[in-house]
Amino acid sequence: AQKITQTQPGMFVQEKEAVTLDCTYDTSDQSYGLFWYKQPSSGEMIFLIYQGSYDEQNATEGRYSLNFQKARKSANLVISASQLGDSAMYFCAMREATSGTYKYIFGTGTRLKVLA
Amino acid sequence: NAGVTQTPKFRILKIGQSMTLQCAQDMNHNYMYWYRQDPGMGLKLIYYSVGAGITDKGEVPNGYNVSRSTTEDFPLRLELAAPSQTSVYFCASRAGTGGAYGYTFGSGTRLTVV
Repeated sequence: AQKITQTQPGMFVQEKEAVTLDCTYDTSDQSYGLFWYKQPSSGEMIFLIYQGSYDEQNATEGRYSLNFQKARKSANLVISASQLGDSAMYFCAMREATSGTYKYIFGTGTRLKVLA
Repeated sequence: NAGVTQTPKFRILKIGQSMTLQCAQDMNHNYMYWYRQDPGMGLKLIYYSVGAGITDKGEVPNGYNVSRSTTEDFPLRLELAAPSQTSVYFCASRAGTGGAYGYTFGSGTRLTVV
């Protein structure tokens, strides 16, 4: 069965420092996609970054990068130069293997608090 | 461009009541999804649709029903509300058939069943 695991319920980081949020996944499929979403206290879900299983380069989007280690089945989110506005819940998600449906499974999330 | 619109934002239901959570998107997306988020948990899929007239169950469908008569609308129906359905409900849609597309989420509906 496919599974996403986020082992850090909460993290603190000092403003302007980098932080890594962990995500490991379990799948037997060769083709899959990994996503990170941000959920601020206001509650909406914001798409941050995507990594395909066949992508050789780690994905980057501005201050966000995804440290993809396929053999270890990990897809950690790295936020560089943290800002106070980065304080939020962060969810890792994986696109399920079932073709044509694009269902995602989500981890339980990591709550990040950026300290001034 | 409004994206995905969910109504209502908040609702309190009594046990045994029914209600419909509305979801509409104006992006002409074929794929639409309903998730629920319980406190401290990730999102769990309730129902999904790959196009008008086509729906299927997700991981936690019991106590819910959906319909998809148009591309734009994907309402979620709660019959005989129970306290276990207290949750935040998210509707999402997805463009295209390529793997890289992320979901566009609505702002959520916070439902309390008392």
